[in-house]
Amino acid sequence: EDQVTQSPEALRLQEGESSSLNCSYTVSGLRGLFWYRQDPGKGPEFLFTLYSAGEEKEKERLKATLTKKESFLHITAPKPEDSATYLCAAYSGGYQKVTFGIGTKLQVIP
Amino acid sequence: DAGVIQSPRHEVTEMGQEVTLRCKPISGHDYLFWYRQTMMRGLELLIYFNNNVPIDDSGMPEDRFSAKMPNASFSTLKIQPSEPRDSAVYFCASSLTGPTYGYTFGSGTRLTVV
Repeated sequence: EDQVTQSPEALRLQEGESSSLNCSYTVSGLRGLFWYRQDPGKGPEFLFTLYSAGEEKEKERLKATLTKKESFLHITAPKPEDSATYLCAAYSGGYQKVTFGIGTKLQVIP
Repeated sequence: DAGVIQSPRHEVTEMGQEVTLRCKPISGHDYLFWYRQTMMRGLELLIYFNNNVPIDDSGMPEDRFSAKMPNASFSTLKIQPSEPRDSAVYFCASSLTGPTYGYTFGSGTRLTVV
């Protein structure tokens, strides 16, 4: 059974304090690794797709990286507006099989 | 485009009652997904449609759950009879080509069964 595990469950940072979120995955035949952002009371918002180990994607203060077993979401000099829950998901192909992690709730304090 | 539209935003119902959740996907998107989100289990896929046809309903927890997509612009998720353990946030999402370029989620329906 495919599994996606995210850590930590919650992270509190001071504004400007860089850090990383972790996503470990166990899937048969990874076809894509996704990151989403979810604000309270809203649906997840798509951020990135990573396809193969070594790939990196960037968007503003966020950079996602992928290895054969993990993905990291690096947040550089975060701002309060980066506060949200970040979800990781793995796509193992065949009938839209996407497995989501529980998420990391990030709080950035001014 | 207004995005994926779900209604109602909140639903409180008594155990045993029928509940119907509604979704309007983004025009032109061929895939529609129903997800359920809870604190303990996160996002779980219930069912998805491709070109209005149900493809995989293996995530539907019980026969009490049913979903339809009568046309490209409308889908429903029905729970009959509802139970307290069905309390969760239900999301509808749509996609043009599948997961690779991301799903667009609606704002969800928060269901509380008392």
